[in-house]
Amino acid sequence: EVQLVESGGGLVQPGGSLRLSCAASGFTFSSYWMSWVRQAPGKGLEWVANIKQDGSEKYYVDSVKGRFTISRDNAKNSLYLQMNSLRAEDTAVYYCARAVGSWGYYFDYWGQGTLVSVSS
Amino acid sequence: DIQMTQSPSTLSASVGDRVTITCRASQSISSWLAWYQQKPGKAPKLLIYEASSLESGVPSRFSGSGSGTEFTLTISSLQPDDFATYYCQQYNSYWTFGQGTKVEIK
Repeated sequence: EVQLVESGGGLVQPGGSLRLSCAASGFTFSSYWMSWVRQAPGKGLEWVANIKQDGSEKYYVDSVKGRFTISRDNAKNSLYLQMNSLRAEDTAVYYCARAVGSWGYYFDYWGQGTLVSVSS
Repeated sequence: DIQMTQSPSTLSASVGDRVTITCRASQSISSWLAWYQQKPGKAPKLLIYEASSLESGVPSRFSGSGSGTEFTLTISSLQPDDFATYYCQQYNSYWTFGQGTKVEIK
């Protein structure tokens, strides 16, 4: 059974940093693109970042470029999101998702999400 | 950037109704479109990919159609479990979601 379990969320002050983790199991992690998708309270879904199977390609939504870094450790079956210079508008539930296809097209499995709150 | 616009934003319907949700792309995305269902407090669930392919395990009352810039998600006979919010997502150029359509009980 495919499982994705996020951790690392919490309350952080504006300008602060946080590192999210996603532990994957039940599939060959190194064979899939992986993604982070977020959802602000009461709002819709927003794609945040994607990373290729070997980590050689990474893509970000414009609003997080230069502040967030997606990475992975295939030996540990883990995905990460390093978030720096956090802003109030980064407050959201962050989902880890498995991306299907040669370019990580769509998301077939999702974790339960971890809440990041940016507030003073 | 490709923008995705869903309509309506909210839809009131009854059990047994046929429901159609529209998703429009700001430029052609061929058939590179997926649909998701999300219930409150839960992660999204993949329903449809490549505009019309049904994800394994998804009931056949769900169907998708369209290509280019206009797409639809149809629920042929709405069931109690289907009251949720639905999102389209393009993957022709990067990844963008629509703003969502909430299907509520009439």
